[in-house]
Amino acid sequence: AQSVTQLDSQVPVFEEAPVELRCNYSSSVSVYLFWYVQYPNQGLQLLLKYLSGSTLVKGINGFEAEFNKSQTSFHLRKPSVHISDTAEYFCAVRGYNQGGKLIFGQGTELSVKP
Amino acid sequence: KAGVTQTPRYLIKTRGQQVTLSCSPISGHRSVSWYQQTPGQGLQFLFEYFSETQRNKGNFPGRFSGRQFSNSRSEMNVSTLELGDSALYLCASSLEFRGGEAFFGQGTRLTVV
Repeated sequence: AQSVTQLDSQVPVFEEAPVELRCNYSSSVSVYLFWYVQYPNQGLQLLLKYLSGSTLVKGINGFEAEFNKSQTSFHLRKPSVHISDTAEYFCAVRGYNQGGKLIFGQGTELSVKP
Repeated sequence: KAGVTQTPRYLIKTRGQQVTLSCSPISGHRSVSWYQQTPGQGLQFLFEYFSETQRNKGNFPGRFSGRQFSNSRSEMNVSTLELGDSALYLCASSLEFRGGEAFFGQGTRLTVV
């Protein structure tokens, strides 16, 4: 079984500042890792994914994340945020050979202030 | 290429009624999963279908059911609605059963009164 913990429920930050949204997971099997973003009254949009290979993955809108297997973490970063990045961000895991079932964290609400 | 399409976007039902939600996956995608999103419980997996067969099921009562058609379109049904079923229901499609990433639709907002 897998579980995901997003360590911050809310992250306020000023525009053009860097941001890190933290995600830790636990799993008895190897996993794939994902970050999704959700804008109000919308579905989930895939930001980036780690399936294999390089542990530093780049996604859309200038976001990147680093997979750290020893610390079972997959933190999301952006060097300079914009007002338009205000949204809820979800970290998710999927176990190898376990189909498409995603286990999500509780979400982090990113609020970018001018 | 069109994305995942869910209909309807909004729905209001009365306790005790039943409801059917529809999901059309991305063209060529064969796996469809359903999730329930509520403020209290977050995003929870309902079930997954591939090749018209349920492959995975979450911890939901039997009132929640689904099916997948030969064109990969999927429906989920909730019978005997309860107030606690009010939620955003999200559908996701993937290319294959164990393949890559999932792409989500806009969701159906169900309100039970």
